[in-house]
Amino acid sequence: GDSVTQMEGPVTLSEEAFLTINCTYTATGYPSLFWYVQYPGEGLQLLLKATKADDKGSNKGFEATYRKETTSFHLEKGSVQVSDSAVYFCALSDYGGSQGNLIFGKGTKLSVKP
Amino acid sequence: NAGVTQTPKFRVLKTGQSMTLLCAQDMNHEYMYWYRQDPGMGLRLIHYSVGEGTTAKGEVPDGYNVSRLKKQNFLLGLESAAPSQTSVYFCASSYLDHSGGRGEQFFGPGTRLTVL
Repeated sequence: GDSVTQMEGPVTLSEEAFLTINCTYTATGYPSLFWYVQYPGEGLQLLLKATKADDKGSNKGFEATYRKETTSFHLEKGSVQVSDSAVYFCALSDYGGSQGNLIFGKGTKLSVKP
Repeated sequence: NAGVTQTPKFRVLKTGQSMTLLCAQDMNHEYMYWYRQDPGMGLRLIHYSVGEGTTAKGEVPDGYNVSRLKKQNFLLGLESAAPSQTSVYFCASSYLDHSGGRGEQFFGPGTRLTVL
């Protein structure tokens, strides 16, 4: 079945460092891909998404590009802030186009130190 | 708008007890979902609903039942709680978008359940 694999954490960075969180997927069709963020004590919020190959999702300085050839959707940010400390989840929908049922990776905890 | 709310926020049960978790959304969304979040496991879908009066099984439905009697509410029931059901439970909802599919999922703040 469909699955998502993301790099294990925790990831600890200094403020203004460059962030990459790797995410790869396995899917039989053409899924939509998502990054969700969970701040401490809260539910998940959609950070960005891409619905077809070569699409780039971006939000709040974060970016991710849907790479069909490498089945990847890596999350990047050029300069992280303390306020970016959270758990990040990569996810795919189980059918293409709009978001269907989501399949999540296990999450990557990011801690940013001042 | 309150968005997605969950009741209660915390609960401790003894093995064998029953309880119902309530999820409510005020966004008139068609779709609603229940997930559980366990350390190192990400979120796993328990049950979902594509409309009032309908429910369907997700990835880990055993030991849970759900009902969607009203469009705005989605109830998750544990008939006989087990320690393996200790988890954080999240409810989410999503809308019917312009292309006929499902839009973004909006999550509630979660319910932390401990079964002793």
